[in-house]
Amino acid sequence: GQNIDQPTEMTATEGAIVQINCTYQTSGFNGLFWYQQHAGEAPTFLSYNVLDGLEEKGRFSSFLSRSKGYSYLLLKELQMKDSASYLCAVCDSNYQLLWGAGTKLIIKP
Amino acid sequence: ETGVTQTPRHLVMGMTNKKSLKCEQHLGHNAMYWYKQSAKKPLELMFVYNFKEQTENNSVPSRFSPECPNSSHLFLHLHTLQPEDSALYLCASSQDGSGVYEQYFGPGTRLTVT
Repeated sequence: GQNIDQPTEMTATEGAIVQINCTYQTSGFNGLFWYQQHAGEAPTFLSYNVLDGLEEKGRFSSFLSRSKGYSYLLLKELQMKDSASYLCAVCDSNYQLLWGAGTKLIIKP
Repeated sequence: ETGVTQTPRHLVMGMTNKKSLKCEQHLGHNAMYWYKQSAKKPLELMFVYNFKEQTENNSVPSRFSPECPNSSHLFLHLHTLQPEDSALYLCASSQDGSGVYEQYFGPGTRLTVT
């Protein structure tokens, strides 16, 4: 079957760096998305990776290894406002988007 | 006007009621989606409309009935729901339904079935 795995919850300190991992097993691959969702709000797009490697966007970076079925989202210089859930989603060979359950990130002062 | 709007934001309904959720996108997109979000579970895709045609129905019970009159509007008609249908219902849109474009989400409707 197909599945997307992410840790349920992570805790980090303000100003630090945190890496949120996502592993996937899907029938084919047409890209991986990361979304951020603050409590009580809609998910918002962070990144899209379709080729291997690291893509950097300000304090956030996303990495993909297609051979390992693995991605991570790296958040640097953490701020309190980064407390949110981070959702990993993979587009499979049928161009269907499969979602992970999300990682709740708690930032402590 | 914000990109994707949803009404109502909160809805409480009894199991015998009929209600509708509305979604509107102002982004010129051609695909629209309904998702169900329950606590600690992955987003569940319910329906996809691409260029006003329904292209996906993920075994959703018939008590949920979608309607897409045009590319900008999407409705979810609800009738004889069950308490386990209580969840956050999210609408989203994207450039098309190919799955490779980012999706823009509305704020959601928090539904409680009593």
